[in-house]
Amino acid sequence: DADVTQTPRNRITKTGKRIMLECSQTKGHDRMYWYRQDPGLGLRLIYYSFDVKDINKGEISDGYSVSRQAQAKFSLSLESAIPNQTALYFCATSPTGTSGGNEQFFGPGTRLTVL
Amino acid sequence: GNSVTQMEGPVTLSEEAFLTINCTYTATGYPSLFWYVQYPGEGLQLLLKATKADDKGSNKGFEATYRKETTSFHLEKGSVQVSDSAVYFCALRGGSTLGRLYFGRGTQLTVWP
Repeated sequence: DADVTQTPRNRITKTGKRIMLECSQTKGHDRMYWYRQDPGLGLRLIYYSFDVKDINKGEISDGYSVSRQAQAKFSLSLESAIPNQTALYFCATSPTGTSGGNEQFFGPGTRLTVL
Repeated sequence: GNSVTQMEGPVTLSEEAFLTINCTYTATGYPSLFWYVQYPGEGLQLLLKATKADDKGSNKGFEATYRKETTSFHLEKGSVQVSDSAVYFCALRGGSTLGRLYFGRGTQLTVWP
């Protein structure tokens, strides 16, 4: 079984709809992240969480919100989807620690299309 | 601030050709450097990493050396295979950024038989 799972894997929705993307992990990591990937732009950080009570904005948080329901679950919401939020969304986790070499583990991604 | 610049693609090579994908960075403090690979339809997975200057990361025939003097972390492989076709991302974690990664834009590699 995959260590980091995302649901749904694909979603097509309409402008103005509320959408929730979910991420679950079985790695026991405290840190979780949401990124979006756009062609030619790499991955950009939306939100990140270092534990259940900690939520931080990334570089492109406008139009998004998150919820950390438990150590293992981190959800991303689009309150009112717009077409320029069409992208590939990735959840990632990493262990806590001061080691700069700590790896991030990525989920398979959710492809979201907003019409 | 922290940023990563990697060569734009796409890169198209024949099997067994030599590969170089350039990556340079700007960072405060002493960053760790990473190469991630994304195969079609999948998420990113770590390919290799280096955590201090002059370290060489290696995996699956790929190598990259952390060059502080040139602020570079170029990815190389001596003989590519069709199965290496993927998107490659250079990334850094700055010393004071508490775990978040900064990614380059990605380089698409296609290897033909």
